[in-house]
Amino acid sequence: DTEVTQTPKHLVMGMTNKKSLKCEQHMGHRAMYWYKQKAKKPPELMFVYSYEKLSINESVPSRFSPECPNSSLLNLHLHALQPEDSALYLCASSQDWTGGLNYGYTFGSGTRLTVV
Amino acid sequence: DQQVKQNSPSLSVQEGRISILNCDYTNSMFDYFLWYKKYPAEGPTFLISISSIKDKNEDGRFTVFLNKSAKHLSLHIVPSQPGDSAVYFCAALRTRRALTFGSGTRLQVQP
Repeated sequence: DTEVTQTPKHLVMGMTNKKSLKCEQHMGHRAMYWYKQKAKKPPELMFVYSYEKLSINESVPSRFSPECPNSSLLNLHLHALQPEDSALYLCASSQDWTGGLNYGYTFGSGTRLTVV
Repeated sequence: DQQVKQNSPSLSVQEGRISILNCDYTNSMFDYFLWYKKYPAEGPTFLISISSIKDKNEDGRFTVFLNKSAKHLSLHIVPSQPGDSAVYFCAALRTRRALTFGSGTRLQVQP
């Protein structure tokens, strides 16, 4: 299995809703990432988990709450989002914290989130 | 502060010709540079990387060149094919930091 699987692919939520994005990989990668991408912009880092511990939080608002229950799974819990949070949310994994350079990061297809 | 820059938002090339995508960076601490390809509604796909201690890496039709003194790298695609049409992101990596992406260049290969 050489994929990162993200669910759901599309999500529409109201500003008072609570929802979660899920990311799964079975490549034995020990680093996992959440990126946010707005239209016509590059992916921007949100969180990094290394060996199931949060290593980087790029000053992300607390309405985004990451969770890494085990080495294969990464969640992003969403609560009280704003319309400007609408974006493509990408999950990625790598062999280790330095990125596994021969192969780079493996990205999922993303969750297209719309906040109404 | 945008540490990785791709100054050309788009590039159009004829099939069979060479595509050259450029990228500049400002942080001399980057250890590796990578190129990703992205189709709409998909995540970025890793293409090729280069260590900061090298000046060239080749993989099939793709070659990446690194000029450290100029803080510049480029991706050459030869020959270009219509299936190469996508957005290409340059990215840079420091040890114990995550990837930093450029703003992307949309490549259109005309049949």
